[in-house]
Amino acid sequence: TQLLEQSPQFLSIQEGENLTVYCNSSSVFSSLQWYRQEPGEGPVLLVTVVTGGEVKKLKRLTFQFGDARKDSSLHITAAQPGDTGLYLCARDSGSARQLTFGSGTQLTVLP
Amino acid sequence: NAGVTQTPKFQVLKTGQSMTLQCAQDMNHEYMSWYRQDPGMGLRLIHYSVGAGITDQGEVPNGYNVSRSTTEDFPLRLLSAAPSQTSVYFCASSYIGALNIQYFGAGTRLSVL
Repeated sequence: TQLLEQSPQFLSIQEGENLTVYCNSSSVFSSLQWYRQEPGEGPVLLVTVVTGGEVKKLKRLTFQFGDARKDSSLHITAAQPGDTGLYLCARDSGSARQLTFGSGTQLTVLP
Repeated sequence: NAGVTQTPKFQVLKTGQSMTLQCAQDMNHEYMSWYRQDPGMGLRLIHYSVGAGITDQGEVPNGYNVSRSTTEDFPLRLLSAAPSQTSVYFCASSYIGALNIQYFGAGTRLSVL
């Protein structure tokens, strides 16, 4: 099993602060997805990164794929309470379209 | 659009009971899968299917059965529920394209007493 390590596991910040969460693997992966999951709902895709060194922006969220394609980060600028949720990274793990998920970062943004 | 629909939303079982978790998608996706989510462990793949009539095991298949008779439906069966199967179950579907973007249902929260 090719594990994905996410850190931190929990993060609680005040509205307006910046934060970064990380997703790391010991092996190279071809692409990585970031999902956000809100309470009582299923995960929803935020972004897919494919190319080493790639940076993608989604409003106040910036996603980066490491040059060696073993790690990724998600940076949120000026966090808002609506950003609260579980952030999951996931990678393709086999030829049958399986995804392997990290254990997630639970983010709480306090008003 | 309905997307991926899971029923029921909540279920309580006694040890040894059986039940079927329903999953239906209206996006004509070839690929469907079942995950379970436990605290601190992310999502773990139970079973998946790449098309009608084709199923295969994921990371944690023991205690669960699946079948795929149509493109739209992918039910998950617990034949004899155990307390270790207390979890939140998610069904997902995707188009078999290059990026494997998965669309999830809202989940079924199952408690086995």
